[in-house]
Amino acid sequence: GAGVSQSPSNKVTEKGKDVELRCDPISGHTALYWYRQSLGQGLEFLIYFQGNSAPDKSGLPSDRFSAERTGGSVSTLTIQRTQQEDSAVYLCASSSGRVGGPSYEQYFGPGTRLTVT
Amino acid sequence: AQSVTQPDIHITVSEGASLELRCNYSYGATPYLFWYVQSPGQGLQLLLKYFSGDTLVQGIKGFEAEFKRSQSSFNLRKPSVHWSDAAEYFCAVGALNTGTASKLTFGTGTRLQVTL
Repeated sequence: GAGVSQSPSNKVTEKGKDVELRCDPISGHTALYWYRQSLGQGLEFLIYFQGNSAPDKSGLPSDRFSAERTGGSVSTLTIQRTQQEDSAVYLCASSSGRVGGPSYEQYFGPGTRLTVT
Repeated sequence: AQSVTQPDIHITVSEGASLELRCNYSYGATPYLFWYVQSPGQGLQLLLKYFSGDTLVQGIKGFEAEFKRSQSSFNLRKPSVHWSDAAEYFCAVGALNTGTASKLTFGTGTRLQVTL
């Protein structure tokens, strides 16, 4: 596609429910990132996928958060047993994944606004 | 660990005036530096980036930034601000991971207000 797409754009869920957020990276991009943007914490890195390598999960805030990337393309971020502090905008980004300067540019999707009531 | 500081939370400038947004970073090696802009309800748009070479980099929408290693800074500038530049601006530093891209660490952002 022309850019990174994310769905849904908005999600309202009740505390304790599970949610799944989807990200479609730019076609051909092998690196995919999830970030979270919240009022209290700013923009935080969550997880990073690069090709077939093991993902960098160092930013996931708890074991309620997980992500997978199927077929090296689409990614799903899952939050189990949602809490009110999970309310935030979840941003996905992709980059080409090749070695070299321009490959470090990350292109962001519009985000999914998650509200936990 | 890498970090980014944007000292100004909120800046107001008049349309047509010049602009400088400050960014200081902390990173143990050569940093990869970025400025992103976010309009209300929108995702992040890349304005410009520094990887190596010329320390003065040009970006989109008439923005430029200068990398100063001695000051650990990467300030964003624009000679003449337009009302449409009102948005939030984020500075970010990226690290290398086995030669390919890795996570970005963002500053807390500077909200720019433009008065007519």
